Amino acid sequence: EDQVTQSPEALRLQEGESSSLNCSYTVSGLRGLFWYRQDPGKGPEFLFTLYSAGEEKEKERLKATLTKKESFLHITAPKPEDSATYLCAVQQWGSGNTGKLIFGQGTTLQVKP
Amino acid sequence: GAVVSQHPSWVICKSGTSVKIECRSLDFQATTMFWYRQFPKQSLMLMATSNEGSKATYEQGVEKDKFLINHASLTLSTLTVTSAHPEDSSFYICSAPRRESTNEKLFFGSGTQLSVL
Repeated sequence: EDQVTQSPEALRLQEGESSSLNCSYTVSGLRGLFWYRQDPGKGPEFLFTLYSAGEEKEKERLKATLTKKESFLHITAPKPEDSATYLCAVQQWGSGNTGKLIFGQGTTLQVKP
Repeated sequence: GAVVSQHPSWVICKSGTSVKIECRSLDFQATTMFWYRQFPKQSLMLMATSNEGSKATYEQGVEKDKFLINHASLTLSTLTVTSAHPEDSSFYICSAPRRESTNEKLFFGSGTQLSVL
């Protein structure tokens, strides 16, 4: 069964304490892996798309990496404004369209000052 | 700024009434839009794919007669929850793909929190 699993479910960090979020996937034929940020009561905000193993992308304090079985979202020296739920989603080849994504449950990050 | 606009942000209705949610792509055309549903502390689940000028495609287990989708123009898709019941209370989110360079990104609306009393 195609599945996307994120861990941990919740993460509490002190400001400046770096860490990583994990997204493991078991899908047949990965077309792309997406990272989104979601604030409470809001729609997901696009962060990154990764297409092949070994690919890395960075944006401010965030860095996303991809292997054949998982992706990591590294957060370096986080700030309280990084507090949010981070969602991972995968798109499969043959799914027909970009919007047919399989989402993980998300990791809720809380960064304390 | 926002790429996809969704309204209303929240709605409270009585059981048995219908609720319409609008999703608009801003500054780009979207022949396809997507409707997701998210229950508290759960992941987003795709409900249906909205196709401009043709019928929507529904995911398994989603009642097409209950969740009516209309994609009347290249920038507007609507989701109507008919005869809403408390179990339909959820966070509904629309999305639209936009091509940027060689890649296509999926942008989401701000979501609609539906509460059925």
